[in-house]
Formats: sequence, structure tokens, C-alpha cells
Amino acid sequence: DTAVSQTPKYLVTQMGNDKSIKCEQNLGHDTMYWYKQDSKKFLKIMFSYNNKELIINETVPNRFSPKSPDKAHLNLHINSLELGDSAVYFCASSSLQGGEQFFGPGTRLTVL
Amino acid sequence: TQLLEQSPQFLSIQEGENLTVYCNSSSVFSSLQWYRQEPGEGPVLLVTVVTGGEVKKLKRLTFQFGDARKDSSLHITAAQPGDTGLYLCAGPWGGSNYKLTFGKGTLLTVNP
Repeated sequence: DTAVSQTPKYLVTQMGNDKSIKCEQNLGHDTMYWYKQDSKKFLKIMFSYNNKELIINETVPNRFSPKSPDKAHLNLHINSLELGDSAVYFCASSSLQGGEQFFGPGTRLTVL
Repeated sequence: TQLLEQSPQFLSIQEGENLTVYCNSSSVFSSLQWYRQEPGEGPVLLVTVVTGGEVKKLKRLTFQFGDARKDSSLHITAAQPGDTGLYLCAGPWGGSNYKLTFGKGTLLTVNP
């Protein structure tokens, strides 16, 4: 069974469109994250939810809106996509503060 | 400003060689984690070091946490093609153990 899964794996879209990425974890973890990895492989945290509550919101444009319907799911909706949004987006989860984070396989977003 | 500086950025070696990669900071970290990321996948935790001066071994990989907890190193003995990947160090910061800051990584290629 996949621990942290994301859909879709690849997403190609036009500038200005709205898109969503879904994430699910079956590890029973309380905390989930969204990261962005740019073309230079730099991995940067965007958001974190603990028990469906937003606990970390880095300086991310408000075009990005995370939603956690329950502890096992954290979705990311992006409005008005821009060229600079092209990147690989990773979902992750953890059970403990400062503990191991388990990452999903990533969603490669390409904005044309 | 990058909190964790990793060096070298790129490393290409032949199978059987030894190598060391570094993760340095001017800040003290309560712990540091090392992840390996293979192409098309999310990062996977290799080890967490917590105590200054700590040395941990994982088969041919040796991890060391500096005495002052500002730096860490990863030494690989007799590298194999399967060691190829992006090695990332990460540590909690910003007063939250949920928030990990990552270095930019060392991209290692081990040629057969």
C-alpha cells in the first residue's frame, strides 16, 4: 500500500487556469505538508496542517489554497496559474514534531 | 538567506570510490535529518542526528553531527550506482518542530 499518494502525477495547463492536486496518507499521521521543489531542486515548505488545522503558512501567494477535509487528506488548489508556478509539488506527512516526514511521489506541474 | 548550505552541489564519481558531502550552517539546530531523493520520487529519510558529536552508520553510509550542532557530514564508502540521487539535509527552524528547512542538496552520480 502506498503511504502517501498524490494525484495527478503530471499536470500540464495554460496560464490563468485553476487546478487542484490531491494528497492522501494512510499512515495515521496527524500532520500533513505541501512543499514546492523548483527547477534547481530547492525544496521549500508551503503549508502544514495538524489535525485539519493550518499551522504553517509560508509566504505563499493567496492564489494557493490548501484544504484538509480530514486528517488523511490535504488538497492544494491553485487559482490563476502563472508560469512561475511550474515546479514539482510534494505532499508529506509526519506523526511527531520534528520527526520523519514521509513524502509522496510528487506532482510535476507545467504551466504553459 | 539559505540556513543550510550543502556542498558540493554536484558530485560525479566512479563506483568503488569514497566520498563526503557536507551540510553547514551558522545556526544551531536541535537535530538534522538526511534524506535521499531519487529521480521522479519524493525524498526518503536516511537518518536523524540529535546529539552533538553523534556518529550514525547505515551500512556504507556514515553520518556525523558536529559538536556545536551547526554542521553535519555524510560519508559513503565504496559508492555504488544505487547510491545515485539527491542528498538533502534538513532541520527544524523558526521555533516550530513541524517546520523543516532544507539545504539545496548534493546531486550524486555514481558511474559503473
